[in-house]
Amino acid sequence: LAKTTQPISMDSYEGQEVNITCSHNNIATNDYITWYQQFPSQGPRFIIQGYKTKVTNEVASLFIPADRKSSTLSLPRVSLSDTAVYYCLVGDGAGSYQLTFGKGTKLSVIP
Amino acid sequence: GAVVSQHPSWVICKSGTSVKIECRSLDFQATTMFWYRQFPKQSLMLMATSNEGSKATYEQGVEKDKFLINHASLTLSTLTVTSAHPEDSSFYICSARAPAVTNEKLFFGSGTQLSVL
Repeated sequence: LAKTTQPISMDSYEGQEVNITCSHNNIATNDYITWYQQFPSQGPRFIIQGYKTKVTNEVASLFIPADRKSSTLSLPRVSLSDTAVYYCLVGDGAGSYQLTFGKGTKLSVIP
Repeated sequence: GAVVSQHPSWVICKSGTSVKIECRSLDFQATTMFWYRQFPKQSLMLMATSNEGSKATYEQGVEKDKFLINHASLTLSTLTVTSAHPEDSSFYICSARAPAVTNEKLFFGSGTQLSVL
């Protein structure tokens, strides 16, 4: 499974756009890129998933360059409630899905 | 969206007792479920993969006789921590996958905080 690398932490003020980049240099052809959000003492929550180019939903956007060796999660106009740990995972969409969680990015939103 | 229910949310037990944690997929059939543990301020660590009707596959270093996993139906998997000790205190999380319904995404339970006295 491809290993992922993310910044350990990020700070942002309320109302700003936040971009969290994840590196996955060894991503395989069939791998999807999925982002999860986790609040303290809760299970992770699915945010967005993509394979290539750009994906947007009501919560976030996911940008994936042509080589797919990285991806960027974009959170528009963050609020205090977006303070959480964000995990980028890469796995085989049709395989065992034994996902390996990296350290994640601790996002702190400041009033 | 798909809902995974995990119970109990928290449990306190005495050392030496066994604790059972349930993970249910409420609105879809989960062919595969996963169990994780998470220590404070650390990432999730995969413990085992549970497939309905077959034995669980444990990750290296996870004692299968201590962490018993049963996946008797397509909507229920249980994790039993046998003869629990203080070092087993942790946050345990399950997730479920059902490609036909959830587009190969994982959905997680709310977690169980286990404290062993």
